[in-house]
Amino acid sequence: EIVLTQSPATLSLSPGERATLSCRASQSVSNYLTWYQQKPGQAPRLLIYDTSNRATGIPARFSGSGSGTDFTLTISSLEPEDFAVYYCQQRASWPITFGQGTRLEIK
Amino acid sequence: DVQMLESGGDSIQPGGTLRLSCVASGFTFSTYAMSWVRQAPGKGLEWVSSMFGSGGDTYYPDSVRGRFTISRDDSKNTLYLQMNSLRVEDTAIYYCARSIPYWHFDLWGRGALVTVSS
Repeated sequence: EIVLTQSPATLSLSPGERATLSCRASQSVSNYLTWYQQKPGQAPRLLIYDTSNRATGIPARFSGSGSGTDFTLTISSLEPEDFAVYYCQQRASWPITFGQGTRLEIK
Repeated sequence: DVQMLESGGDSIQPGGTLRLSCVASGFTFSTYAMSWVRQAPGKGLEWVSSMFGSGGDTYYPDSVRGRFTISRDDSKNTLYLQMNSLRVEDTAIYYCARSIPYWHFDLWGRGALVTVSS
């Protein structure tokens, strides 16, 4: 099973700042890495798939990068609605696994 | 509107059985692979099961294999999750999720709460 480790667990930033979230895989997932955003009481929302492809309707301030075992989600300038929990997920091999999440909170 | 709606969540004792349903609308259900993902209270996301179109292969993690069964009825635009031998650790919100090839999840239902407790 591929273990995904996200860091930091919690990130405290202010609106307008740049956010950098990390996801590290225990073995290579090629580029099969996905990012989701989840707000309290809501289902997750697809942000980025296959490392760097933004899903439909996702603003350009969200970007993804990486390959193999190290991946990054970057939010270039935080908007108030971006404060949420972010999860990475791999689809390179069964079982599908998720990271434990990074909570992005307002500083 | 494109949406999915789960039902069948309940409170149940350990060892019990439950079947969740997920009705899809606004898209051609039969052409999509589908999955279930769960989230224990205050915890992260855990993949539960996936399947291709009707008659296609099914997939499970070790934590539910042999106890849970995913199925679908494309004539009813409905996905199912049959859950047997339920355990306390199965307590979670269960989301159905549409899988775009393959396997990340671009559309999620609102979730159904399953509570397993004595």
